[in-house]
Amino acid sequence: EPEVTQTPSHQVTQMGQEVILRCVPISNHLYFYWYRQILGQKVEFLVSFYNNEISEKSEIFDDQFSVERPDGSNFTLKIRSTKLEDSAMYFCASRGSGELFFGEGSRLTVL
Amino acid sequence: GIQVEQSPPDLILQEGANSTLRCNFSDSVNNLQWFHQNPWGQLINLFYIPSGTKQNGRLSATTVATERYSLLYISSSQTTDSGVYFCAPYSSASKIIFGSGTRLSIRP
Repeated sequence: EPEVTQTPSHQVTQMGQEVILRCVPISNHLYFYWYRQILGQKVEFLVSFYNNEISEKSEIFDDQFSVERPDGSNFTLKIRSTKLEDSAMYFCASRGSGELFFGEGSRLTVL
Repeated sequence: GIQVEQSPPDLILQEGANSTLRCNFSDSVNNLQWFHQNPWGQLINLFYIPSGTKQNGRLSATTVATERYSLLYISSSQTTDSGVYFCAPYSSASKIIFGSGTRLSIRP
């Protein structure tokens, strides 16, 4: 069964460093999303991407964040100059015309 | 933007019990999903349900879009049903917002 894959599964970084989280959405899906979940809290929408551009973004998705689809298969989330409060699980998701499918997440720990 | 409320926030049940989880949303939606987040953090698709009722084994879901709510029923609960249940209404194709979840604990 097709699935969304994310790497790395866990990343530890120092405050102020740049981080890139990678996702391979399900092939032939058209919509791509990033969500964040701080430990014990709800799943928060960050950004959606369609037709090679951002469709919507939340107030969380400020200038510190960027997304890119560098080739036909990868979808990346870049966090510039990480802060302690960026520590969270980051989920990538994709959908075609139907339901949303999630990857297993990338846990980011900022020290 | 759309507001999503789930109730109850926490639920503790004995194995074998039945439960109903509710999701209210403030705006019209054109679709809705229910997810189960297991104790390992994975988000598992349960239902993709814009309206009506669907059943999958011991679980079923009903969405009444005109009244802006959806219900998730779990019957004969098992310990493996423990975790957090999220609803996610589609306010648009590009913005899918999660509720705050119902944390379900099933005791053996």
